[in-house]
Amino acid sequence: GENVEQHPSTLSVQEGDSAVIKCTYSDSASNYFPWYKQELGKRPQLIIDIRSNVGEKKDQRIAVTLNKTAKHFSLHITETQPEDSAVYFCAASGSYQLTFGKGTKLSVIP
Amino acid sequence: GAGVSQSPRYKVAKRGQDVALRCDPISGHVSLFWYQQALGQGPEFLTYFQNEAQLDKSGLPSDRFFAERPEGSVSTLKIQRTQQEDSAVYLCASRGGRPLKHNEQFFGPGTRLTVL
Repeated sequence: GENVEQHPSTLSVQEGDSAVIKCTYSDSASNYFPWYKQELGKRPQLIIDIRSNVGEKKDQRIAVTLNKTAKHFSLHITETQPEDSAVYFCAASGSYQLTFGKGTKLSVIP
Repeated sequence: GAGVSQSPRYKVAKRGQDVALRCDPISGHVSLFWYQQALGQGPEFLTYFQNEAQLDKSGLPSDRFFAERPEGSVSTLKIQRTQQEDSAVYLCASRGGRPLKHNEQFFGPGTRLTVL
């Protein structure tokens, strides 16, 4: 089955700096890669996703890049704000089920 | 419109008790998923329904876990003879559109199960 590794597990940045979270996956059949943000005690919420026919996607301060050859994908958050503090999960999917990474706890220091 | 809802939000059970967790998906969503999220971990897939058909139950940890969606809408996850290792947040997600098309999975708030 699919295996998703996510790094780092914790990340602290100063407000205004950029944050980068990296994931690798094992199954070359995976073709959909969403990123979810989960605040403490809340539900996971999709922030951005990318499909395997695209190498990069941007939405305001958030961007995701995908390298299918290396089976790597990354989340980039620019101009971080305190409200970006949360746990971020990457995931990979080949058909329907999502396989998640273990999460990255992002702290943005004002 | 209303999102995915789950009940109860919190459940405390004594070891050996049976529990039932309910999920109300977004109206009209064909696909429904259950995930288990242990503390400090990512959600892990348990089972998948397309309408009332359970197409994949490969993630259910044991035969004590049972899920159903008899009318293709509300789903119930039942855990029999609960054990301490069953303590986790149980997340339900639903998805609209064509069943195998990658659309967003919308998550519910989860049920936090604590087994004493």
